[in-house]
Amino acid sequence: DIDLTQSPDSLAVSLGERATITCKAGRTVFSSGTKKNHLAWYQQKPGQPPKLLIYWSSARDFGVPDRFSGSGSATDFTLTINTVQPEDVATYYCQQYYSTPTFGPGTRLQIK
Amino acid sequence: QVQFVQSEAEVKQPGASVKVSCETSGHSFSSFAIYWVRQAPGRSLEWLGWFNGGTGTTRLSEKFQDRVTLTRDTSANTAYMELSSLTLEDTAVYYCARGPVSGYLFNWGQGTLVTVSS
Repeated sequence: DIDLTQSPDSLAVSLGERATITCKAGRTVFSSGTKKNHLAWYQQKPGQPPKLLIYWSSARDFGVPDRFSGSGSATDFTLTINTVQPEDVATYYCQQYYSTPTFGPGTRLQIK
Repeated sequence: QVQFVQSEAEVKQPGASVKVSCETSGHSFSSFAIYWVRQAPGRSLEWLGWFNGGTGTTRLSEKFQDRVTLTRDTSANTAYMELSSLTLEDTAVYYCARGPVSGYLFNWGQGTLVTVSS
């Protein structure tokens, strides 16, 4: 299994500010076959299932606002939320699918 | 729009088995895979396995391979996850989700709470 760590565990930002969450993989999730990073990001609000935000490390899923962006390669990845909105309060998880799927421990985003 | 409807919450005793269903509408079972993921209270997400809709084969997490069975009923558009030999640590919300085989999960069911209690 590929272990994923996330930082910070939680963060509080002011409305309209930027939030940055990082995800680090225990080994590379870049495939020389697909030439892609096999990493996704999800948003989960209390009492709801996770929602896919980003796949292939930087591709936004359909309907995801463009204030959400993903970047990074190999073992180090970032989810950035520009101009945080009240509806962005949630826990965010990264997931690798280079090998059998594993998820990060999550980062809780709150409004300051 | 693809929809998933999962079965209702269950309460089981230790040592019992539970079978969770996931009825789909709006897509063919032959496309993509159906994943099963669980989330214990206050914890992160944990993958149990996937059912490959194209080949009818399964891939299971090593942690659960002795206890999990994934099946589907194509005529009923329903996927099933059965977990046996339940312990208190199996108390969790169990989700079904859809995605490419060995990929990301882009459609999720609402979740089924399974509580294991003596």
